[in-house]
Amino acid sequence: EPEVTQTPSHQVTQMGQEVILRCVPISNHLYFYWYRQILGQKVEFLVSFYNNEISEKSEIFDDQFSVERPDGSNFTLKIRSTKLEDSAMYFCASRGGLASSYNEQFFGPGTRLTVL
Amino acid sequence: GIQVEQSPPDLILQEGANSTLRCNFSDSVNNLQWFHQNPWGQLINLFYIPSGTKQNGRLSATTVATERYSLLYISSSQTTDSGVYFCAVGFRFHPAGGTSYGKLTFGQGTILTVHP
Repeated sequence: EPEVTQTPSHQVTQMGQEVILRCVPISNHLYFYWYRQILGQKVEFLVSFYNNEISEKSEIFDDQFSVERPDGSNFTLKIRSTKLEDSAMYFCASRGGLASSYNEQFFGPGTRLTVL
Repeated sequence: GIQVEQSPPDLILQEGANSTLRCNFSDSVNNLQWFHQNPWGQLINLFYIPSGTKQNGRLSATTVATERYSLLYISSSQTTDSGVYFCAVGFRFHPAGGTSYGKLTFGQGTILTVHP
């Protein structure tokens, strides 16, 4: 069964460093998402991506964040200069297309980012 | 504003008991998903259920979209059912106007503890 994959599973970095979190969405999906979950809190939307551009972003997704789909399979989230408060679990998700039957989102296993 | 509220926030059961978790939402939806977050932090997709009723083993879910709520039923609970259960909703329309690009808004979760 197709699944969303994410690498690495755990990333430890120093404050101020750049990190890139990688995701491989399900191959025929068209919409891609990043969410994050700070420890003990609910999951929060960061950004959605469709047709090679950002379609929606939250207030959290400031200039320190960027997303890219560098090829036909990968979807990346870059944090340019990490802060302590960026420590969280980051989830990638994808969904199929415009028809209502394709609204279900499929989530990857997450990348736990720890900023020291 | 857009809201997703889950109840109860905490639930403690003895093994074998049944339980009902509730999710209330504030607007029309085209997506509603129930997740179980396992001890490793992964979001396990239980149901995609924007309307109607579904069953999968000991778990079932019902969404009454017109009344803006969804219920997750767990029967004959087991210790492995312990964890956090999240309801996540995709609203049909963007609060600023127009069609939503499908971002999910998560509830705060219900922490379920099942004792042997």
